[in-house]
Amino acid sequence: DTAVSQTPKYLVTQMGNDKSIKCEQNLGHDTMYWYKQDSKKFLKIMFSYNNKELIINETVPNRFSPKSPDKAHLNLHINSLELGDSAVYFCASSQLPTGGEETQYFGPGTRLLVL
Amino acid sequence: SQKIEQNSEALNIQEGKTATLTCNYTNYSPAYLQWYRQDPGRGPVFLLLIRENEKEKRKERLKVTFDTTLKQSLFHITASQPADSATYLCALEEYGNKLVFGAGTILRVKS
Repeated sequence: DTAVSQTPKYLVTQMGNDKSIKCEQNLGHDTMYWYKQDSKKFLKIMFSYNNKELIINETVPNRFSPKSPDKAHLNLHINSLELGDSAVYFCASSQLPTGGEETQYFGPGTRLLVL
Repeated sequence: SQKIEQNSEALNIQEGKTATLTCNYTNYSPAYLQWYRQDPGRGPVFLLLIRENEKEKRKERLKVTFDTTLKQSLFHITASQPADSATYLCALEEYGNKLVFGAGTILRVKS
């Protein structure tokens, strides 16, 4: 019973292709995130959705488009893939308790390699 | 925006010793600070949260301190074990409950 799951785990593709990564959480959380972890291991937020509504949209190329069909799912579609998109993409979820503190629960990551 | 500095070099210690990892931040003091553990090929896992009005927090062999004057948090693992070997990430709350992560410090515990 995985809390936050992502598919695929590995993705190898050619430059210029379009690809999607899917994320699902069964924790009943209201908020979901996409992070990018580059080769230097910096984990940087890309997007955040709360109850299917976009609430954080960092400076990310518009080739990246998140979609949240319901609060348990957050998918990431990437158009026209570039070499620099190669990284590990993590999905996460959280439930904001009273007080605003949040613990985030991460998925296993999707390792994207663009050739 | 916040900038977070964690030791970029790996910390190598002997089993049974206390490991101390540092997290420094540059701007305003956040309402809270979190520590996560990341194993190779896996996503980060939450360990501890400490609020700005707390000096210290403990959980089993883990201890976190938060000094808003120094703009620093220290993360201690006492009686370290080889299984504690991992990358430890510090994360600060920024605006809108957005978390900003440091690059992490690799800890290696040798038996």
